[in-house]
Amino acid sequence: NAGVTQTPKFQVLKTGQSMTLQCAQDMNHNSMYWYRQDPGMGLRLIYYSASEGTTDKGEVPNGYNVSRLNKREFSLRLESAAPSQTSVYFCASRTRGGAASPLHFGNGTRLTVT
Amino acid sequence: GENVEQHPSTLSVQEGDSAVIKCTYSDSASNYFPWYKQELGKRPQLIIDIRSNVGEKKDQRIAVTLNKTAKHFSLHITETQPEDSAVYFCAAANFGNEKLTFGTGTRLTIIP
Repeated sequence: NAGVTQTPKFQVLKTGQSMTLQCAQDMNHNSMYWYRQDPGMGLRLIYYSASEGTTDKGEVPNGYNVSRLNKREFSLRLESAAPSQTSVYFCASRTRGGAASPLHFGNGTRLTVT
Repeated sequence: GENVEQHPSTLSVQEGDSAVIKCTYSDSASNYFPWYKQELGKRPQLIIDIRSNVGEKKDQRIAVTLNKTAKHFSLHITETQPEDSAVYFCAAANFGNEKLTFGTGTRLTIIP
């Protein structure tokens, strides 16, 4: 049982390049999330998907797009990378409905934009 | 939207002493308050959570308290050990809202 798997683990981009961060979960969770983590800023929500076929903006969506490909997979795309997008990106998932349930995080992707 | 403030940003305590981290939230509709621990270079992992119908919850050396009236909640770690050194994040959410809002984190260092 792998949980939440993110690829790649590390990436260096030049300003203006594009890339897609991949995320997959095998826990049959409905909701999936993309967070970025910056020093002193905590974890900030970029986009989330409450169920297959739906996506919504979080706190910091500008410069990103997402796709909920199916129930397992949720990808994050940077169309034209900027140095301000240098960060550690975490994908997470959880069940939903009535009772609160915890987020399960992937191991993160460390992205550097030069 | 929800805003979560967390204090202090850094905390150093002697091994064996207690550590307390405090958070406040802004949305009175929030009713779920988890705490995550992130060791260096690792992913955040849930250590304890509390729902708004409960005032306190304990799990061995860790406890969380919630004051709904004042809109603040705290993490208490007793008899601290070196392995407690990590960054701790509080968070708040509403059962009906899929978004979980995090505080900015507290770096806890246990001094041997």
